[in-house]
Amino acid sequence: GNSVTQMEGPVTLSEEAFLTINCTYTATGYPSLFWYVQYPGEGLQLLLKATKADDKGSNKGFEATYRKETTSFHLEKGSVQVSDSAVYFCALGWGDYKLSFGAGTTVTVRA
Amino acid sequence: KAGVTQTPRYLIKTRGQQVTLSCSPISGHRSVSWYQQTPGQGLQFLFEYFSETQRNKGNFPGRFSGRQFSNSRSEMNVSTLELGDSALYLCASSLPETPQVWEQYFGPGTRLTVT
Repeated sequence: GNSVTQMEGPVTLSEEAFLTINCTYTATGYPSLFWYVQYPGEGLQLLLKATKADDKGSNKGFEATYRKETTSFHLEKGSVQVSDSAVYFCALGWGDYKLSFGAGTTVTVRA
Repeated sequence: KAGVTQTPRYLIKTRGQQVTLSCSPISGHRSVSWYQQTPGQGLQFLFEYFSETQRNKGNFPGRFSGRQFSNSRSEMNVSTLELGDSALYLCASSLPETPQVWEQYFGPGTRLTVT
């Protein structure tokens, strides 16, 4: 079945550091891929998406490229801020009507 | 546009009771999905509804049920509550066709505590 594997956290960074969160997927076809972010006490917010190979999703300084050859969708941000502290989830949609989520990566950015 | 709304935001129930959670989707979104989030199991899919029909169901016992109304609003019900049902229940809405059905927008969740 469909599945997503995310790098284990937690990740602690200093402000202005470079952030990468690895995400790889398994799917039988050509899934749509997403990154969601969850701030404390809130629901999930859609951060960015990509629906076909080589698409690059971007939003709020975050980027991720859909790499079919490596079945990956790594999240990157060049200079993080304290306000980026949150839990990040990689997700895929394919075949049925649900999203399959990774385990989530907790990111803490220190001033 | 208003986002996905969920009521209530917090609930405390005792074992054996039942509970109903409500979700109003974004205007124009006719697909509604429900997920359970716990620290141990992460985000798990419960079910998805479109046009008042359940199209997909996750691996949960029959105590978990849901429905969708003609205005696309949805409810989920958990009967005979167990301690392990304590979780954040998230509702998401989207357009119903693939691939848009996977671009889901989430509400703030209902935090259910079972004592």
